[in-house]
Amino acid sequence: DPKIIQKPKYLVAVTGSEKILICEQYLGHNAMYWYRQSAKKPLEFMFSYSYQKLMDNQTASSRFQPQSSKKNHLDLQITALKPDDSATYFCASSQAGTANTEVFFGKGTRLTVV
Amino acid sequence: QQKVQQSPESLIVPEGGMASLNCTFSDRNSQYFWWYRQHSGEGPKALMSIFSNGDKKEGRFTAHLNKASLHVSLHIKDSQPSDSALYFCAVRGNSAGNKLTFGIGTRVLVRP
Repeated sequence: DPKIIQKPKYLVAVTGSEKILICEQYLGHNAMYWYRQSAKKPLEFMFSYSYQKLMDNQTASSRFQPQSSKKNHLDLQITALKPDDSATYFCASSQAGTANTEVFFGKGTRLTVV
Repeated sequence: QQKVQQSPESLIVPEGGMASLNCTFSDRNSQYFWWYRQHSGEGPKALMSIFSNGDKKEGRFTAHLNKASLHVSLHIKDSQPSDSALYFCAVRGNSAGNKLTFGIGTRVLVRP
């Protein structure tokens, strides 16, 4: 059973539109993250949340907005989509407040902006 | 800003052979190092961690850490076709959020 559920698995969007990527985790973790994976680039950290509060933001653009409605949810809203936003977006989670524990990843949402 | 470099970019290994992957990091204060593996269509999954200098063995996988030379490596012994995947070195930070910084990855192909 997948413990980190990301929806949808695939998403095609039109340039300029807005989309929400959904993430729920059932690992009992209090820290959640978003990462982005594009071709020829390392997995790129975007945001981290701990107990539903933003801890770190490495995303330059305000078009990317995480939303945490429940402690095991961290959705990602992307507005004014651009073709450069095409990537696979991974949600992840871990125990909060410690760096020596594993970060678990979901299977990703592959976003294509046309 | 932490920088993580991996080599080689890709590696072809015969079944039963040894695969050696290398990683260097830039922040001398780094403490927590991870190897992740990603199969096609899946998310990355942690393979093993190493926090102290020296070797750590888990089954066919051995990680080696040398903090003084800013180097961590992964060796896969008796490689199997199921080991074919993208392998990432990752360093976990101590600052707020404890983010993972990844290298670009080494693609390993094990040929039967």
